[in-house]
Amino acid sequence: DVKVTQSSRYLVKRTGEKVFLECVQDMDHENMFWYRQDPGLGLRLIYFSYDVKMKEKGDIPEGYSVSREKKERFSLILESASTNQTSMYLCASSLPGPPGNEQFFGPGTRLTVL
Amino acid sequence: RKEVEQDPGPFNVPEGATVAFNCTYSNSASQSFFWYRQDCRKEPKLLMSVYSSGNEDGRFTAQLNRASQYISLLIRDSKLSDSATYLCVVPRTDKLIFGTGTRLQVFP
Repeated sequence: DVKVTQSSRYLVKRTGEKVFLECVQDMDHENMFWYRQDPGLGLRLIYFSYDVKMKEKGDIPEGYSVSREKKERFSLILESASTNQTSMYLCASSLPGPPGNEQFFGPGTRLTVL
Repeated sequence: RKEVEQDPGPFNVPEGATVAFNCTYSNSASQSFFWYRQDCRKEPKLLMSVYSSGNEDGRFTAQLNRASQYISLLIRDSKLSDSATYLCVVPRTDKLIFGTGTRLQVFP
């Protein structure tokens, strides 16, 4: 079974703090994704990566950066957390190829920024 | 027009009922479509893929109408365990575009 794990289920941070969200997958998938999910807005793509050291901006990259130093690990960084970044963050991975390849999601991190 | 639009629901149906959700999409070039299921406080998981006119898997049927640019998901003989949010997903170039989801609540 594909397993995608995220470092925390719940996280509370203060405005201005630097926040690291870690994601690890164990199926040797090339593709990894970071989404945020908000009520009424659905899942929105923040960043994605198709290979180590590679990253591409998604639809809402502002205020975020990512790091992919190893194939199995994809980190999302909030350089200076703000209250509007309070959200559920979901990491996903998939095999390479067309975007329709099944994406396997982690359990999510609910981040609250005070 | 949003790239992917869904009725948010909730759809409240009794066990055994048949329920259908629609999803409209704006990109007429899309070739494949997906339904993901998301249980409360859980991550989304792939339910079905639709590559041609439709797909059937047990009690679930997904249909595609390219002329009108909508996809439907039909659930027959609803079970309590079908209660979840159903996300319509459409590829766009190298990304997946997720709808906001339709919530289904099946009651006894």
